[in-house]
Amino acid sequence: DQQVKQNSPSLSVQEGRISILNCDYTNSMFDYFLWYKKYPAEGPTFLISISSIKDKNEDGRFTVFLNKSAKHLSLHIVPSQPGDSAVYFCAASYTGANSKLTFGKGITLSVRP
Amino acid sequence: DGGITQSPKYLFRKEGQNVTLSCEQNLNHDAMYWYRQDPGQGLRLIYYSQIVNDFQKGDIAEGYSVSREKKESFPLTVTSAQKNPTAFYLCASSMRQSVEQYFGPGTRLTVT
Repeated sequence: DQQVKQNSPSLSVQEGRISILNCDYTNSMFDYFLWYKKYPAEGPTFLISISSIKDKNEDGRFTVFLNKSAKHLSLHIVPSQPGDSAVYFCAASYTGANSKLTFGKGITLSVRP
Repeated sequence: DGGITQSPKYLFRKEGQNVTLSCEQNLNHDAMYWYRQDPGQGLRLIYYSQIVNDFQKGDIAEGYSVSREKKESFPLTVTSAQKNPTAFYLCASSMRQSVEQYFGPGTRLTVT
């Protein structure tokens, strides 16, 4: 049973526009969420995170929104750049999980010049 | 500079052979993790270790073994019992009680 779902496998946007990557979760115990970015044949790198006590966290061009009632979070990238083209993984954890993360399947973002 | 190293980058083995993947970190992190990634799949947890000389099975531990004799090192052995060993293997580490994990560059294992 997939507890973290990234239902859209891919997204293509024009350079300069907004990219919105969505993630849904089913486990109501999750209280911390992270986004990772991954290039082919490399390890994922941490991008941004959000605690369940917040509904928004911003870091430069990246903003994560959390809607707890809908069990939904989204990553906004504004403006999108060609270097943002990568696979983005949503991950979740909860207090008492021994810091284990549950990952979604990832979304491949392509930013067209 | 600090980080996580995995070696080798590419590894080829014949079916039926055990193979050990290396993971070393100099971040002074207590916890270490092994994941595998298959095409179109997310990262699935194989094993994790919170402290030296202790480790727990993740979601897909069958056919794998680990050891944690040193804080810096967490090698993963892919045994001949693993039915589909060809995959991209990722090692990660984190500070105690932190969920933010740092990943190594990965090892692509191909078994034929």
